[in-house]
Amino acid sequence: GAGVSQTPSNKVTEKGKYVELRCDPISGHTALYWYRQSLGQGPEFLIYFQGTGAADDSGLPNDRFFAVRPEGSVSTLKIQRTERGDSAVYLCASSLIEGNEQFFGPGTRLTVL
Amino acid sequence: RKEVEQDPGPFNVPEGATVAFNCTYSNSASQSFFWYRQDCRKEPKLLMSVYSSGNEDGRFTAQLNRASQYISLLIRDSKLSDSATYLCVVNGGNPTSGTYKYIFGTGTRLKVLA
Repeated sequence: GAGVSQTPSNKVTEKGKYVELRCDPISGHTALYWYRQSLGQGPEFLIYFQGTGAADDSGLPNDRFFAVRPEGSVSTLKIQRTERGDSAVYLCASSLIEGNEQFFGPGTRLTVL
Repeated sequence: RKEVEQDPGPFNVPEGATVAFNCTYSNSASQSFFWYRQDCRKEPKLLMSVYSSGNEDGRFTAQLNRASQYISLLIRDSKLSDSATYLCVVNGGNPTSGTYKYIFGTGTRLKVLA
């Protein structure tokens, strides 16, 4: 079956702009996770959803970052007033239920100029 | 102290060697543990879960030591294709309260040499 997909694969934007990153999890997976990864580092937790609700958003760095999952499937990570420090690979993962192994999408490489 | 710590390496080993990685974690309430493999510019892929009794999958063996709060990964008979970054993942949430936040280590780079 289809794995986790993320769009776009690459996004280049200018400082101060708004961006949306999309994640389509594996069908039937109830838990969805967002991470960001900088070069030489492991993925850094941002937020995860169980169904439609954000179960833990403690990793969001500030209020410029927001994520939604309105129908319990596709999720969108939204970043307002982007800064150069937001440049990273944003990874999405899903798991059948909370606590199980996660399956990752290919990521969105965000570059803020 | 970081929640999950790994030696970043790199570990350069010859083909056929046995290599072991350790990972320490700080949250004694952690319940789930995994090793992921990440190739350059690719997404992490699950290598294996780590069970309390230890588990083996072919050339790979994972062990958990709750008392000392570390997990290990042993790779026997290393192949060139094992060259990658190995990420330790620990459930850093609180299953009692119902959150399952996973924390990744920085990864350990392995290069297997011909």
